[in-house]
Amino acid sequence: GAVVSQHPSRVICKSGTSVKIECRSLDFQATTMFWYRQFPKQSLMLMATSNEGSKATYEQGVEKDKFLINHASLTLSTLTVTSAHPEDSSFYICSASLRLAGTNEQFFGPGTRLTVL
Amino acid sequence: GENVEQHPSTLSVQEGDSAVIKCTYSDSASNYFPWYKQELGKGPQLIIDIRSNVGEKKDQRIAVTLNKTAKHFSLHITETQPEDSAVYFCAASGVDSNYQLIWGAGTKLIIKP
Repeated sequence: GAVVSQHPSRVICKSGTSVKIECRSLDFQATTMFWYRQFPKQSLMLMATSNEGSKATYEQGVEKDKFLINHASLTLSTLTVTSAHPEDSSFYICSASLRLAGTNEQFFGPGTRLTVL
Repeated sequence: GENVEQHPSTLSVQEGDSAVIKCTYSDSASNYFPWYKQELGKGPQLIIDIRSNVGEKKDQRIAVTLNKTAKHFSLHITETQPEDSAVYFCAASGVDSNYQLIWGAGTKLIIKP
Protein backbone atom coordinates (compact mmCIF):
# COMPACT_ATOMS: atom_id res chain seq x y z
CA GLY A 1 0.00 0.00 0.00
CA ALA A 2 0.88 3.67 -0.24
CA VAL A 3 3.27 4.87 2.46
CA VAL A 4 3.22 8.27 4.11
CA SER A 5 5.90 9.40 6.53
CA GLN A 6 5.93 12.24 9.05
CA HIS A 7 8.84 13.91 10.77
CA PRO A 8 9.39 14.44 13.60
CA SER A 9 7.33 11.83 15.42
CA ARG A 10 7.54 13.76 18.64
CA VAL A 11 8.55 17.32 19.50
CA ILE A 12 8.70 19.29 22.71
CA CYS A 13 9.19 23.03 22.47
CA LYS A 14 8.98 26.16 24.55
CA SER A 15 6.06 28.53 24.27
CA GLY A 16 6.59 31.15 21.56
CA THR A 17 8.75 29.04 19.27
CA SER A 18 7.76 27.73 15.85
CA VAL A 19 7.65 24.06 14.91
CA LYS A 20 7.74 22.55 11.44
CA ILE A 21 6.27 19.13 10.66
CA GLU A 22 7.00 17.37 7.39
CA CYS A 23 4.72 14.97 5.58
CA ARG A 24 6.01 12.88 2.69
CA SER A 25 4.40 10.39 0.35
CA LEU A 26 7.16 7.85 -0.19
CA ASP A 27 6.01 5.72 -3.08
CA PHE A 28 3.40 7.76 -4.88
CA GLN A 29 2.66 11.29 -5.97
CA ALA A 30 -0.04 12.91 -3.89
CA THR A 31 -2.22 15.46 -5.62
CA THR A 32 -3.77 16.44 -2.32
CA MET A 33 -2.56 16.35 1.25
CA PHE A 34 -4.62 16.85 4.38
CA TRP A 35 -3.64 17.99 7.85
CA TYR A 36 -5.57 16.82 10.88
CA ARG A 37 -5.44 17.48 14.57
CA GLN A 38 -6.53 14.96 17.16
CA PHE A 39 -7.12 15.51 20.87
CA PRO A 40 -7.08 12.57 23.30
CA LYS A 41 -10.02 10.21 22.93
CA GLN A 42 -11.48 12.23 20.07
CA SER A 43 -11.88 11.80 16.36
CA LEU A 44 -9.70 13.46 13.76
CA MET A 45 -10.41 17.10 13.04
CA LEU A 46 -9.53 18.36 9.58
CA MET A 47 -7.46 21.53 9.72
CA ALA A 48 -6.68 22.16 6.06
CA THR A 49 -6.48 20.70 2.60
CA SER A 50 -3.55 21.46 0.34
CA ASN A 51 -3.00 20.85 -3.32
CA GLU A 52 0.45 20.92 -4.84
CA GLY A 53 1.42 24.38 -6.00
CA SER A 54 -1.60 26.20 -4.62
CA LYS A 55 -2.64 27.77 -1.35
CA ALA A 56 -4.13 25.56 1.31
CA THR A 57 -7.82 25.65 2.10
CA TYR A 58 -8.37 26.00 5.83
CA GLU A 59 -11.36 24.75 7.76
CA GLN A 60 -13.49 27.19 9.66
CA GLY A 61 -11.90 28.19 12.93
CA VAL A 62 -8.36 27.27 11.92
CA GLU A 63 -6.03 30.29 11.81
CA LYS A 64 -4.06 30.23 8.58
CA ASP A 65 -1.42 32.61 9.96
CA LYS A 66 -0.86 30.32 12.91
CA PHE A 67 -0.76 27.06 10.98
CA LEU A 68 1.27 27.67 7.84
CA ILE A 69 1.02 24.98 5.18
CA ASN A 70 3.38 24.63 2.25
CA HIS A 71 2.80 21.99 -0.40
CA ALA A 72 5.85 22.53 -2.57
CA SER A 73 5.87 19.23 -4.43
CA LEU A 74 3.74 16.18 -5.12
CA THR A 75 5.53 14.29 -2.36
CA LEU A 76 6.05 16.88 0.39
CA SER A 77 3.82 19.09 2.49
CA THR A 78 4.85 20.96 5.63
CA LEU A 79 2.86 22.33 8.54
CA THR A 80 4.47 25.07 10.62
CA VAL A 81 2.91 25.92 13.96
CA THR A 82 4.00 29.50 14.55
CA SER A 83 4.46 31.01 18.00
CA ALA A 84 3.27 27.81 19.60
CA HIS A 85 1.43 27.91 22.92
CA PRO A 86 0.43 25.14 25.34
CA GLU A 87 -3.07 24.98 23.84
CA ASP A 88 -1.47 23.95 20.52
CA SER A 89 -0.25 20.74 22.14
CA SER A 90 -1.91 17.93 20.24
CA PHE A 91 -1.40 14.99 17.88
CA TYR A 92 -0.98 16.22 14.31
CA ILE A 93 -1.57 13.79 11.47
CA CYS A 94 -1.21 14.23 7.74
CA SER A 95 -2.69 12.18 4.95
CA ALA A 96 -2.13 12.00 1.24
CA SER A 97 -4.60 11.26 -1.50
CA LEU A 98 -4.02 9.76 -4.89
CA ARG A 99 -7.11 11.31 -6.42
CA LEU A 100 -6.87 9.11 -9.49
CA ALA A 101 -9.97 8.25 -11.51
CA GLY A 102 -12.21 9.77 -8.87
CA THR A 103 -10.76 7.73 -6.04
CA ASN A 104 -10.70 9.51 -2.72
CA GLU A 105 -8.61 7.15 -0.64
CA GLN A 106 -6.43 8.79 1.97
CA PHE A 107 -3.27 7.26 3.36
CA PHE A 108 -2.16 8.49 6.75
CA GLY A 109 1.18 9.27 8.27
CA PRO A 110 2.14 8.01 11.74
CA GLY A 111 1.43 11.36 13.38
CA THR A 112 3.48 13.94 15.29
CA ARG A 113 3.00 14.50 19.01
CA LEU A 114 3.54 18.19 19.79
CA THR A 115 4.00 19.29 23.37
CA VAL A 116 4.38 22.99 24.06
CA LEU A 117 5.73 23.85 27.49
CA GLY B 1 -23.39 18.93 5.31
CA GLU B 2 -22.54 15.28 5.77
CA ASN B 3 -22.77 13.83 9.24
CA VAL B 4 -21.55 10.41 10.33
CA GLU B 5 -22.69 8.72 13.53
CA GLN B 6 -20.86 5.72 14.94
CA HIS B 7 -21.95 3.20 17.58
CA PRO B 8 -21.03 1.93 20.03
CA SER B 9 -18.39 4.19 21.54
CA THR B 10 -16.88 1.25 23.39
CA LEU B 11 -17.18 -2.44 22.59
CA SER B 12 -15.79 -5.24 24.70
CA VAL B 13 -15.84 -8.79 23.33
CA GLN B 14 -14.34 -12.09 24.32
CA GLU B 15 -11.38 -13.26 22.27
CA GLY B 16 -12.63 -15.42 19.42
CA ASP B 17 -16.06 -13.80 19.29
CA SER B 18 -17.25 -11.42 16.58
CA ALA B 19 -17.40 -7.64 16.81
CA VAL B 20 -19.74 -5.37 14.89
CA ILE B 21 -19.47 -1.59 14.66
CA LYS B 22 -22.16 0.44 12.93
CA CYS B 23 -22.20 3.83 11.23
CA THR B 24 -24.92 5.90 9.65
CA TYR B 25 -24.44 8.79 7.27
CA SER B 26 -26.70 11.62 6.20
CA ASP B 27 -25.65 12.54 2.64
CA SER B 28 -27.10 10.16 0.08
CA ALA B 29 -24.47 11.37 -2.42
CA SER B 30 -21.62 9.87 -0.38
CA ASN B 31 -20.00 7.07 -2.33
CA TYR B 32 -16.89 6.01 -0.43
CA PHE B 33 -16.83 4.47 3.04
CA PRO B 34 -13.48 3.54 4.59
CA TRP B 35 -12.76 2.02 7.98
CA TYR B 36 -9.60 2.91 9.86
CA LYS B 37 -7.89 1.26 12.79
CA GLN B 38 -5.88 3.49 15.11
CA GLU B 39 -3.56 2.12 17.74
CA LEU B 40 -2.43 4.29 20.63
CA GLY B 41 0.02 6.98 19.55
CA LYS B 42 -0.16 6.06 15.85
CA GLY B 43 -1.86 7.36 12.75
CA PRO B 44 -5.02 5.72 11.38
CA GLN B 45 -4.50 2.68 9.19
CA LEU B 46 -6.97 1.84 6.42
CA ILE B 47 -8.24 -1.68 7.02
CA ILE B 48 -11.07 -1.95 4.53
CA ASP B 49 -13.25 0.30 2.40
CA ILE B 50 -16.34 0.00 0.28
CA ARG B 51 -17.81 2.02 -2.54
CA SER B 52 -21.47 2.66 -3.14
CA ASN B 53 -21.71 0.32 -6.10
CA VAL B 54 -21.29 -2.79 -3.92
CA GLY B 55 -23.11 -4.06 -0.87
CA GLU B 56 -20.44 -6.13 0.84
CA LYS B 57 -16.70 -6.57 0.84
CA LYS B 58 -14.60 -9.08 2.73
CA ASP B 59 -10.92 -9.40 3.51
CA GLN B 60 -10.08 -12.44 5.64
CA ARG B 61 -11.56 -11.79 9.11
CA ILE B 62 -12.83 -8.33 8.24
CA ALA B 63 -15.95 -7.47 6.28
CA VAL B 64 -17.92 -4.31 5.58
CA THR B 65 -21.56 -4.14 4.55
CA LEU B 66 -23.33 -1.16 3.04
CA ASN B 67 -27.05 -0.44 2.93
CA LYS B 68 -27.50 2.59 0.69
CA THR B 69 -31.24 2.77 1.21
CA ALA B 70 -30.91 2.98 4.96
CA LYS B 71 -27.65 4.96 4.69
CA HIS B 72 -25.70 2.79 7.06
CA PHE B 73 -22.60 0.65 6.88
CA SER B 74 -21.04 -1.78 9.31
CA LEU B 75 -17.68 -3.30 10.12
CA HIS B 76 -17.59 -6.97 11.04
CA ILE B 77 -14.57 -8.60 12.64
CA THR B 78 -14.74 -12.35 13.16
CA GLU B 79 -12.56 -14.56 15.36
CA THR B 80 -11.27 -11.54 17.23
CA GLN B 81 -7.71 -11.57 18.52
CA PRO B 82 -5.94 -9.44 21.16
CA GLU B 83 -4.19 -7.45 18.42
CA ASP B 84 -7.58 -6.29 17.17
CA SER B 85 -7.83 -4.08 20.27
CA ALA B 86 -7.71 -0.47 19.03
CA VAL B 87 -9.94 2.46 18.17
CA TYR B 88 -11.86 2.04 14.93
CA PHE B 89 -13.16 4.97 12.90
CA CYS B 90 -15.63 4.95 10.06
CA ALA B 91 -15.79 7.74 7.51
CA ALA B 92 -17.82 8.81 4.51
CA SER B 93 -16.84 10.80 1.48
CA GLY B 94 -18.34 12.04 -1.75
CA VAL B 95 -18.59 14.92 -4.13
CA ASP B 96 -20.75 16.97 -1.76
CA SER B 97 -17.99 16.94 0.85
CA ASN B 98 -15.44 17.75 -1.83
CA TYR B 99 -14.05 14.26 -1.25
CA GLN B 100 -13.03 15.10 2.31
CA LEU B 101 -13.50 12.34 4.83
CA ILE B 102 -16.30 12.97 7.31
CA TRP B 103 -15.42 10.98 10.41
CA GLY B 104 -17.38 9.03 12.95
CA ALA B 105 -16.55 9.55 16.61
CA GLY B 106 -14.69 6.25 16.92
CA THR B 107 -15.22 2.95 18.72
CA LYS B 108 -12.80 1.62 21.28
CA LEU B 109 -12.68 -2.14 20.76
CA ILE B 110 -11.42 -4.18 23.69
CA ILE B 111 -10.69 -7.86 23.20
CA LYS B 112 -10.82 -9.75 26.47
CA PRO B 113 -8.47 -12.75 26.71
